[in-house]
Amino acid sequence: SQQGEEDPQALSIQEGENATMNCSYKTSINNLQWYRQNSGRGLVHLILIRSNEREKHSGRLRVTLDTSKKSSSLLITASRAADTASYFCATASNTGANSKLTFGKGITLSVRP
Amino acid sequence: DAGITQSPRHKVTETGTPVTLRCHQTENHRYMYWYRQDPGHGLRLIHYSYGVKDTDKGEVSDGYSVSRSKTEDFLLTLESATSSQTSVYFCAISTQSGQGYEQYFGPGTRLTVT
Repeated sequence: SQQGEEDPQALSIQEGENATMNCSYKTSINNLQWYRQNSGRGLVHLILIRSNEREKHSGRLRVTLDTSKKSSSLLITASRAADTASYFCATASNTGANSKLTFGKGITLSVRP
Repeated sequence: DAGITQSPRHKVTETGTPVTLRCHQTENHRYMYWYRQDPGHGLRLIHYSYGVKDTDKGEVSDGYSVSRSKTEDFLLTLESATSSQTSVYFCAISTQSGQGYEQYFGPGTRLTVT
């Protein structure tokens, strides 16, 4: 069963606009991660936020985590056509090397030039 | 890309035939994973390995077996392929960053069972 559920399923924006994607999960987590997948390629790790963190930044990416609501959001600022991809959230239930990730179904982001 | 390769990249096979997919990594990572990706389902874990000869089942392991005789190779076998196993298969490794364990993925194998 899927732990993470992303929202919306698809998002289309104009280049330069901000893109906000949401993820909800059901059980307690150790950390939450966001991945990007370009068409026909494998997933690429973007950012990890731990359960005791509320916000993290990496370049044009901003991730928030609200453990009371069991939700996270990924904000991409000043979007570019190259940001067109599918985005997945994944949750880890423990901190060890044996921690498995549970992925959501993904959000398809289209950035129009 | 953490030095992960998958072979073959594309395969078409007939129902009932055995199929083996190979994942190869060059950086001595201990943890390796096999996922399948299907429209509407995201990524689902099939099997994973935490060392040579140490493997365990994931969420959707029925119809699949794995082997890991060397650190660098993790094999996924479909003993008797079925049309429901048509999918894109991804291999991944787990590595520690400063914050936790992240996964790095191979390029995928597109398998079609006719």
